[in-house]
Amino acid sequence: KNEVEQSPQNLTAQEGEFITINCSYSVGISALHWLQQHPGGGIVSLFMLSSGKKKHGRLIATINIQEKHSSLHITASHPRDSAVYICAEVGGSQGNLIFGKGTKLSVKP
Amino acid sequence: EAGVAQSPRYKIIEKRQSVAFWCNPISGHATLYWYQQILGQGPKLLIQFQNNGVVDDSQLPKDRFSAERLKGVDSTLKIQPAKLEDSAVYLCASSFASGHSSYNSPLHFGNGTRLTVT
Repeated sequence: KNEVEQSPQNLTAQEGEFITINCSYSVGISALHWLQQHPGGGIVSLFMLSSGKKKHGRLIATINIQEKHSSLHITASHPRDSAVYICAEVGGSQGNLIFGKGTKLSVKP
Repeated sequence: EAGVAQSPRYKIIEKRQSVAFWCNPISGHATLYWYQQILGQGPKLLIQFQNNGVVDDSQLPKDRFSAERLKGVDSTLKIQPAKLEDSAVYLCASSFASGHSSYNSPLHFGNGTRLTVT
């Protein structure tokens, strides 16, 4: 059974701090998504990666296929980064997404 | 480009009533997904369409949930009759790629429909 575990579940940080959110998955995958969900439900795709590292602005995502682990980093965090961050692995014969429960991030000014 | 459109934004119904949600994906996107997200949990796939065909509906409670995607564009998700545990946000997402390459195509989500069953 595919499982996606995220840690921490909740994270509070001060503005400017470096933030790391971790994601572990149980089976081999072809790709992994990092998503951002703001209050109200809207989900935005941040990254889709299958190896190495991707960077977009202050966001960095890394993945280690051998260790079945991915991390999302936020540098110089800002209150507008407050959201739920969800990782989702691409698994199954149909390439469906299997989601983690999310990490709720609150960045205080 | 216009995003994935969903309606209604909110819906409150009593248990045993029926409800329908509508989704209009991004133009040209072959793959459409419906997800259920219960408060505090990650989204759970209900059904995946490839054009107007069903690819995966293994987690759809077929005794009360149904979905269709006529003409391979818009989609509706229906619950009949609703139960209290159906209270959740129903998310629609679409992606461009079709076939087995769908896993490499970014997903675009709608804002969701928040359903409350009382």
